[in-house]
Amino acid sequence: DQQVKQNSPSLSVQEGRISILNCDYTNSMFDYFLWYKKYPAEGPTFLISISSIKDKNEDGRFTVFLNKSAKHLSLHIVPSQPGDSAVYFCAAENSGYALNFGKGTSLLVTP
Amino acid sequence: NAGVMQNPRHLVRRRGQEARLRCSPMKGHSHVYWYRQLPEEGLKFMVYLQKENIIDESGMPKERFSAEFPKEGPSILRIQQVVRGDSAAYFCASSPQDTADTQYFGPGTRLTVL
Repeated sequence: DQQVKQNSPSLSVQEGRISILNCDYTNSMFDYFLWYKKYPAEGPTFLISISSIKDKNEDGRFTVFLNKSAKHLSLHIVPSQPGDSAVYFCAAENSGYALNFGKGTSLLVTP
Repeated sequence: NAGVMQNPRHLVRRRGQEARLRCSPMKGHSHVYWYRQLPEEGLKFMVYLQKENIIDESGMPKERFSAEFPKEGPSILRIQQVVRGDSAAYFCASSPQDTADTQYFGPGTRLTVL
């Protein structure tokens, strides 16, 4: 059962514009959410996270928004850069360590 | 400070053979996690180990799969009598403590079962 869903397999954005990646989850017990970035032939790299007690967390060009009532979170990248082109995974957990990942969204930032 | 190391990076096995995947955590990290990514899927948690102890193996298939993290040496994920459905990318992560956002992932081992 897929508890974390990323319904857009791919996204293409022009350099300088905003990239918005979306994620939905079904388990209301999840209390911590993370975004990972993955390049080909590499492991996922932690990007940004948010606790369920918050609705927004910002780190430089990256902002994560959490809507608990809708069980939805999104990652905003502003401005998008070609180096941001990668696969982005949404993950959630409530155990303290066991991450539940979505299938990923492949982001392509074009010059 | 070297990152999490996994070897081999690619492993090809015939059905019925054994696969051994190794993971060396980052220096100073005593917590190791294994995840599996099947084709077209997200990563799925398999097992969480500390030195010489299995803490949580709730994501491990009940048969043919085992994991260890000995006092000395790397963590090993062992798959006996591999089947085609075991073909996947296996990622190891390590952390200095058991928190989700301090897990550092290795590059993965891609297992192909012929």
